[in-house]
Amino acid sequence: DIVMTQSPDSLAVSLGERATINCKSSQSVLYSSNNKKYLAWFQQKLGQPPKLLIYWASTRESGVPDRFSGSGSGTDFTLTISSVQAEDVAVYYCQQYRSTPYTFGQGTKLEIK
Amino acid sequence: EVQLVESGGGLVKPGRSLRLSCAASGFTFGENAVIWFRQAPGKGLEWVGFIRSKTYGGTAEYAASVKGRFTISSDDPKSIAYLQMNSLKTEDTAVYYCTRSGMDVWGQGTTVIVSS
Repeated sequence: DIVMTQSPDSLAVSLGERATINCKSSQSVLYSSNNKKYLAWFQQKLGQPPKLLIYWASTRESGVPDRFSGSGSGTDFTLTISSVQAEDVAVYYCQQYRSTPYTFGQGTKLEIK
Repeated sequence: EVQLVESGGGLVKPGRSLRLSCAASGFTFGENAVIWFRQAPGKGLEWVGFIRSKTYGGTAEYAASVKGRFTISSDDPKSIAYLQMNSLKTEDTAVYYCTRSGMDVWGQGTTVIVSS
């Protein structure tokens, strides 16, 4: 199984400041035949289902504010929120869908300082 | 509106069975895989399994923790997917979510509590 490890576990950021969440996979999630990285980022607010933010490691889902961006290589990935807003308070998960079982990081809780 | 709605959750005793449903609307159900995830109370997200669309064989894959106990099926004409859960254990207690290929649309989830 591919193990996904996020850091930090929690993060407190002032409004308008940048937030960076890291995600490391135990194996590459790059599929060489199509050169795509099978890595997604989800946001989950309290009591709600997860919401897809980013797929293919760096493609923003339709309707997601452009302050959210994703980047990374085959095993190291980053979700950046360029200017944190109050509505961004949530738990963020990275997930690999390169191979089954699909696996998630443990989650990063974002709070406002 | 593209929508997925789960139902069928509830309180069940260990060893019993339960069938969850995932009803789709607003898109061509048969062209999508259906993926099930779950989230135990206060915990992270866990993949349960998926069923491929008929175009890709209609076969299913499962997490090791549920393989042999859970079965995913789909009724394309009704646009409904099912998660049949047998031999339930207390550790199956969770909110169960369904989503489609691409994981861009999720249901609100249905709660399963396995307790004596």
